[in-house]
Amino acid sequence: GQQLNQSPQSMFIQEGEDVSMNCTSSSIFNTWLWYKQDPGEGPVLLIALYKAGELTSNGRLTAQFGITRKDSFLNISASIPSDVGIYFCAGSPNAGGTSYGKLTFGQGTILTVHP
Amino acid sequence: DAGVTQSPTHLIKTRGQQVTLRCSPKSGHDTVSWYQQALGQGPQFIFQYYEEEERQRGNFPDRFSGHQYPNYSSELNVNALLLGDSALYLCASSFPPGNTIYFGEGSWLTVV
Repeated sequence: GQQLNQSPQSMFIQEGEDVSMNCTSSSIFNTWLWYKQDPGEGPVLLIALYKAGELTSNGRLTAQFGITRKDSFLNISASIPSDVGIYFCAGSPNAGGTSYGKLTFGQGTILTVHP
Repeated sequence: DAGVTQSPTHLIKTRGQQVTLRCSPKSGHDTVSWYQQALGQGPQFIFQYYEEEERQRGNFPDRFSGHQYPNYSSELNVNALLLGDSALYLCASSFPPGNTIYFGEGSWLTVV
């Protein structure tokens, strides 16, 4: 099935470093979401983006909805050990405020943080 | 307030058998979606149920079917299991508008 192109596939960083990851699509999405998934758990929503160009923060996390509506970026500042996990981007063709319908996910970015 | 709950947590089935997975949505949520997540991959959309009807479907064969009950709980049924059906099956619930989607912890299915 279709997936978004998410990069990098994995990252190994030192505690305190900043992290950047991105997601691209050949199709336009009207909503972009970023999730974190820990082992044995379901994905947990980190940030939701509803407008092209939108920049939204959640603590040390900042995400942007690309102007073309075909990409999105997630930054994590001053990483800490509990940031370890798999990060997924997801796109929906539906606009915020309506049912998301089908979400298309990226392949995930595995983040490892060394103390 | 309980979140999305799924059962069973883990199960092992033999190729050719049938399986039923269950999901109770978060309180107040009326829309349930099912996703398949193979090891090392992102979740893939199977289908979505709203008002007891399948509203949208992903690229999955008819062996995958579902049901939603009046209390909004849902079941995912997979017939004639294949080895490739081994995956984590995630249930997600939401309530439009302004709808955050909540995922359950999933049901791990192993087909041998």
